[in-house]
Amino acid sequence: DTGVSQNPRHKITKRGQNVTFRCDPISEHNRLYWYRQTLGQGPEFLTYFQNEAQLEKSRLLSDRFSAERPKGSFSTLEIQRTEQGDSAMYLCASSFFGGANNEQFFGPGTRLTVL
Amino acid sequence: AQSVTQPDIHITVSEGASLELRCNYSYGATPYLFWYVQSPGQGLQLLLKYFSGDTLVQGIKGFEAEFKRSQSSFNLRKPSVHWSDAAEYFCAVLYSGGGADGLTFGKGTHLIIQP
Repeated sequence: DTGVSQNPRHKITKRGQNVTFRCDPISEHNRLYWYRQTLGQGPEFLTYFQNEAQLEKSRLLSDRFSAERPKGSFSTLEIQRTEQGDSAMYLCASSFFGGANNEQFFGPGTRLTVL
Repeated sequence: AQSVTQPDIHITVSEGASLELRCNYSYGATPYLFWYVQSPGQGLQLLLKYFSGDTLVQGIKGFEAEFKRSQSSFNLRKPSVHWSDAAEYFCAVLYSGGGADGLTFGKGTHLIIQP
């Protein structure tokens, strides 16, 4: 098991373009989370899935953001019509819900720069 | 709503000296509490967690933390720091039911180690 992976690691785009990020969780984990981290801040929760169901969305997740986890394995986060304020590190985490604890394991993140 | 406060943005400690990083939370019930470390270019790594039971918890890399309900605190300590401990440290709380299962993070404390 190689842990949580995220691709790409870096993305530079122009304002108004759409971008999509991918997260591959630890294989036996049934929960997958997305967070956003801006410079000098802690990560902020965006949304999470249990298997393929999206169970919670933060108010930070505007209608330009959409996340999917179609088969309960990997997940994608798409940002439409990107804005400069979307520049941030996007973190993915996974956990196994139902065990003794609910520890979230984080991936290395995708750094988005919107020009 | 829950919140986490890390009052120290930066802390400078000499190598070999002891360390204490402060964390206070605001939450209506007993939370699940976590400390994560983030090194440049690395994902968030869990140092330790508190769910219940003994209020002094031991973690990896020689770190420990103490949960004090009366002070709503969960401070991180290490008796002797090493240069490799230089990183960003985040305290986080998990809402344990009835809603969002995303972690709420503090803004982080940047630890600088002096030789």
